Amino acid sequence: NAGVTQTPKFRVLKTGQSMTLLCAQDMNHEYMYWYRQDPGMGLRLIHYSVGEGTTAKGEVPDGYNVSRLKKQNFLLGLESAAPSQTSVYFCASSSPTGSSNQPQHFGDGTRLSIL
Amino acid sequence: AQKITQTQPGMFVQEKEAVTLDCTYDTSDPSYGLFWYKQPSSGEMIFLIYQGSYDQQNATEGRYSLNFQKARKSANLVISASQLGDSAMYFCAMREPGNFNKFYFGSGTKLNVKP
Repeated sequence: NAGVTQTPKFRVLKTGQSMTLLCAQDMNHEYMYWYRQDPGMGLRLIHYSVGEGTTAKGEVPDGYNVSRLKKQNFLLGLESAAPSQTSVYFCASSSPTGSSNQPQHFGDGTRLSIL
Repeated sequence: AQKITQTQPGMFVQEKEAVTLDCTYDTSDPSYGLFWYKQPSSGEMIFLIYQGSYDQQNATEGRYSLNFQKARKSANLVISASQLGDSAMYFCAMREPGNFNKFYFGSGTKLNVKP
């Protein structure tokens, strides 16, 4: 079972370059999330989506854009990468089901370095 | 105010002993879910245990149990009979169904199990 798949797993960019991180889930989940995790810290929510065609800002959205054109995919874009965006990026998905007991399922993360 | 607070940046425990990792939360939503995740050095996020706000009994999953004290807004993770493989970062998280099902994460506790 694939679950949540993130590509790429590693990437090095130069300042000012752009790139897109792809997240794909095969669990038919409505909700998808992008987080960043900096060394020694917890997860901070960048953007999230409650369904196909919808996106919303999280805690730290500046410098990122997202799109949810298909239910199973959630893309995170960096238009002009900055060294401050060096981090590990996690994608997660969850089922709404109307109750609070559904955990988030995480991808394995993308390690992104901006030089 | 912080939604999730983990006050122990790091902890040590002797192998085979029990350890408690603290977590307090803040919400005005009557319905919420509390989760614990484990993040080993390899980086993936592993779901451990869930506690619902309306659950009358403390959750248990194998060697993991959750000490849920609703009035104190605390949800401490208890790991019994610690193993070397339990050495990892542990994150407490809360889901608010009434707030677009957002998840909030604490800053984590790094647990080291000594042989």
